[in-house]
Amino acid sequence: DAKTTQPPSMDCAEGRAANLPCNHSTISGNEYVYWYRQIHSQGPQYIIHGLKNNETNEMASLIITEDRKSSTLILPHATLRDTAVYYCIVRVSRTGANNLFFGTGTRLTVIP
Amino acid sequence: SAVISQKPSRDICQRGTSLTIQCQVDSQVTMMFWYRQQPGQSLTLIATANQGSEATYESGFVIDKFPISRPNLTFSTLTVSNMSPEDSSIYLCSVGDRGRITPGYTFGSGTRLTVV
Repeated sequence: DAKTTQPPSMDCAEGRAANLPCNHSTISGNEYVYWYRQIHSQGPQYIIHGLKNNETNEMASLIITEDRKSSTLILPHATLRDTAVYYCIVRVSRTGANNLFFGTGTRLTVIP
Repeated sequence: SAVISQKPSRDICQRGTSLTIQCQVDSQVTMMFWYRQQPGQSLTLIATANQGSEATYESGFVIDKFPISRPNLTFSTLTVSNMSPEDSSIYLCSVGDRGRITPGYTFGSGTRLTVV
């Protein structure tokens, strides 16, 4: 699976959009981009995933560049409960067949 | 998505002893995994628990230290053997299903282990 690079930490004002970047310059054509987050003292939680097209769900939006070498997770209206460590992961399968390899993630702090 | 019950949620153990952690899922799943998260660190995969056969361990992890059982498609255990303070970590169970379209994995809430 391709390696990802994320900034170690970011701050965001409550109610504003949080934009979390991820570089995955060695991603292969069949690898998906997944985002998880881990709120303190809990297990990681799936947020969103995508292959080439931008994706949106009830939690977030995922913007993937045309060359697929980077992506951005967008939380449109950050709340204090969004304070967590966010992990960007790239992997081959989009079903549950393979395990996940976590990087160091970005610690997002939402400030009142 | 599947609901995972992981027990115990936390424990404090003496060095040299062993602790068995249980992971119970409310539905049959193809894949079950065990992760370790050391204090202030990211998650590291220990092994894939295979139903009816020996677990598949990642580099740096061995069966003698982390024996794993998976007797059926809804249950697995991880034992941390002959513990030392360096084993103090959060241990997490994760499940996925090869047959499902629903993406992503579900994680248990973890077992916080402190070895004294």
